[in-house]
Amino acid sequence: DAGITQSPRYKITETGRQVTLMCHQTWSHSYMFWYRQDLGHGLRLIYYSAAADITDKGEVPDGYVVSRSKTENFPLTLESATRSQTSVYFCASGGTGGNSPLHFGNGTRLTVT
Amino acid sequence: AQSVAQPEDQVNVAEGNPLTVKCTYSVSGNPYLFWYVQYPNRGLQFLLKYITGDNLVKGSYGFEAEFNKSQTSFHLKKPSALVSDSALYFCAVRDMDSSYKLIFGSGTRLLVRP
Repeated sequence: DAGITQSPRYKITETGRQVTLMCHQTWSHSYMFWYRQDLGHGLRLIYYSAAADITDKGEVPDGYVVSRSKTENFPLTLESATRSQTSVYFCASGGTGGNSPLHFGNGTRLTVT
Repeated sequence: AQSVAQPEDQVNVAEGNPLTVKCTYSVSGNPYLFWYVQYPNRGLQFLLKYITGDNLVKGSYGFEAEFNKSQTSFHLKKPSALVSDSALYFCAVRDMDSSYKLIFGSGTRLLVRP
């Protein structure tokens, strides 16, 4: 089925561990995005990618790393997880052009203990 | 810099009554505006968009939005609310300067009581 899938849906990890959140889309969209959602902060952009091998920082990139070797995948890695990174993470994709809506995955709820 | 504001944290309405969720925007140039809905434990779902043309935009699930350039507003509306419309609603503007990212408002929780 076409769509955007995130894995895992839930993750509990310990402070200092490395964690990778996966995102896969089947539309061949050029643009992909990672947002985090926190109470009181709404949705904040972490990183985005305009195409394979092109990534750039968003509003809150510290502590995160991304890569995009293939158009359909956009993994997000927390190099050394901290409690402040406890959040719900959403991946999104969209085509080029301002009138193209973004499509969101169902999110990964990450808890850092 | 482009931004959107949702002045209400929560909107309460009785089932069957009309609902309005407010959004104002600030952009340079023509705005590309969107509404999304989020149900519990789900991602954001696209409802509707304004790009150009008619000021009244129709979208999914009976929702519509009214674009008002002079008031820089893009309010979400529905003539008759359903209990199942209870959710979190986000207004967003597309960043046309770079990246095409969406810039979101803070969200408005809609509660429709039976």
